[in-house]
Amino acid sequence: ILNVEQSPQSLHVQEGDSTNFTCSFPSSNFYALHWYRWETAKSPEALFVMTLNGDEKKKGRISATLNTKEGYSYLYIKGSQPEDSATYLCAFPPMNYGGSQGNLIFGKGTKLSVKP
Amino acid sequence: NAGVTQTPKFRILKIGQSMTLQCAQDMNHNYMYWYRQDPGMGLKLIYYSVGAGITDKGEVPNGYNVSRSTTEDFPLRLELAAPSQTSVYFCASSYVRGQDTQYFGPGTRLTVL
Repeated sequence: ILNVEQSPQSLHVQEGDSTNFTCSFPSSNFYALHWYRWETAKSPEALFVMTLNGDEKKKGRISATLNTKEGYSYLYIKGSQPEDSATYLCAFPPMNYGGSQGNLIFGKGTKLSVKP
Repeated sequence: NAGVTQTPKFRILKIGQSMTLQCAQDMNHNYMYWYRQDPGMGLKLIYYSVGAGITDKGEVPNGYNVSRSTTEDFPLRLELAAPSQTSVYFCASSYVRGQDTQYFGPGTRLTVL
């Protein structure tokens, strides 16, 4: 069974703190790793799609790294702000019949709360 | 572009009733997906489609049916609603498979009583 594990499940930080969380995924047959940001009562929004081992992507104060050999990715938020409060999901597309069909398997997410 | 749209936003069904959740996208995406969100369980894939006329089951397909007659539309059908289908349903689409961002609709909150 293909699985994506995210830790921690939830995180409470103060405004201005930097934080990071982890996504673990199967390292065999790697194709891509997705990160999404999901605010309460809204729909998930894409942050990054990462495909290469050693990839590092950045969007403002949020960055992510990827290690495909050991099967993990880190998401970092520098100087957290209350508007960063959301659930952060990672997902990967399983390889079926020698290729990806595009569907994603999601982790359960890390819920971040940033106190002012 | 409207992106991915879903209707209705909310619906309450009685056990045994049927309904169709509508999903449409105007980005000319070949790939479309239906997910459900259950508390503490994240997003689970119900069905997906790689193009008009082609659909396939995801992780939790039981109790649902889909069709894809056009590139734009991907409706999800519940034939005999059960309380276990109470959930928030999200439709999504992408242009390229696997390595492309998925764009999500606003969701449909369904309660089955």
